[in-house]
Amino acid sequence: DSGVTQTPKHLITATGQRVTLRCSPRSGDLSVYWYQQSLDQGLQFLIQYYNGEERAKGNILERFSAQQFPDLHSELNLSSLELGDSALYFCASSNRVNYGYTFGSGTRLTVV
Amino acid sequence: AQRVTQPEKLLSVFKGAPVELKCNYSYSGSPELFWYVQYSRQRLQLLLRHISRESIKGFTADLNKGETSFHLKKPFAQEEDSAMYYCALKYGWNSGGYQKVTFGTGTKLQVIP
Repeated sequence: DSGVTQTPKHLITATGQRVTLRCSPRSGDLSVYWYQQSLDQGLQFLIQYYNGEERAKGNILERFSAQQFPDLHSELNLSSLELGDSALYFCASSNRVNYGYTFGSGTRLTVV
Repeated sequence: AQRVTQPEKLLSVFKGAPVELKCNYSYSGSPELFWYVQYSRQRLQLLLRHISRESIKGFTADLNKGETSFHLKKPFAQEEDSAMYYCALKYGWNSGGYQKVTFGTGTKLQVIP
């Protein structure tokens, strides 16, 4: 167990629907990052939060949004889902010490 | 702009052969570089940090600022090394959580028995 918890592990939903992915960072980590990993595009950075505030945005679609709550867990909301949104969504956390990321196990989203 | 380049999408080597996974970066500041490994679409795991100069599972990586490279090496490949390997560049400020990380596109290492 890496300490970063992501739920659910698998999600199958229909096009046009909305889903919420949840991430609990490792204890003590203030930063949360969301990544999308698809077969054809590799690992794509979506968004970063630090202590509840958005810090950086990557290739995140307008249909997607995220937030980090006071208890530091984060949610990634995906709406108006399309087939192309099917991917693995990873959450990672880090702290202010000079270290790398700790990744969660990911949520595998399948849009049908 | 900050960029990480992993030129090989796939690298196939025979068991026991040496491995070198290439990573080049572009960054005007002082870089922090990492290697992550992902086995069979599982979560990414931190393999190496350049600042620690450690060897994990027989892998080493040396930062070459002149060539802006951080290649991952192992003298003798093992079947269990088969995985996706991502090079990553961390940059930005240490305080306030403003650090960002850019990942390369990854190299799939396939070790042939």
